[in-house]
Amino acid sequence: AQSVAQPEDQVNVAEGNPLTVKCTYSVSGNPYLFWYVQYPNRGLQFLLKYITGDNLVKGSYGFEAEFNKSQTSFHLKKPSALVSDSALYFCAFGGFQKLVFGTGTRLLVSP
Amino acid sequence: GAGVSQTPSNKVTEKGKYVELRCDPISGHTALYWYRQSLGQGPEFLIYFQGTGAADDSGLPNDRFFAVRPEGSVSTLKIQRTERGDSAMYLCASSLGAVSYNEQFFGPGTRLTVL
Repeated sequence: AQSVAQPEDQVNVAEGNPLTVKCTYSVSGNPYLFWYVQYPNRGLQFLLKYITGDNLVKGSYGFEAEFNKSQTSFHLKKPSALVSDSALYFCAFGGFQKLVFGTGTRLLVSP
Repeated sequence: GAGVSQTPSNKVTEKGKYVELRCDPISGHTALYWYRQSLGQGPEFLIYFQGTGAADDSGLPNDRFFAVRPEGSVSTLKIQRTERGDSAMYLCASSLGAVSYNEQFFGPGTRLTVL
């Protein structure tokens, strides 16, 4: 079955340090990949997506993600983490007109 | 502009009761989606509409769940004979069109608790 996996339940990083939230995919053909963020008591917010073309995708709030076909990965990155980035992050792929989500990774940024 | 809105934000009901959850999509978005998110899990697809018709309802868990979008805008998710296992966050999303590469914009969700 086609899916995305987020191997880390939680990522801890100090403010000002770079952060990486990992996602790997198992999708046939050319994947459409997305990152969403969920803050407490709020809906999912779209961060960025990969459709085709440049492997480095830039998104909202200074986040970016790198599509790596050989490693079947789509890791989310940010050069300098903020405490306000603490939230739940979901990787997803778009297939058959719907989104299939990973299990989520909780990011905790300490001051 | 206004985002996706969902009402109510919270719904507490008793086992066996009927509930309706409402979603108002972004104006101009023709595709509307319902997802269910259990605690500690990612959202899971339930159903999506392109216009007024349900294009894919393969995610509905059983025939107690039903959704409508009669005028191609607002949608209602209906759950009959609720069970405790139906307790979850129900999320609605909309997009410009039902295409796999279009981003979907989510509402704040309705938290359903079945006692």
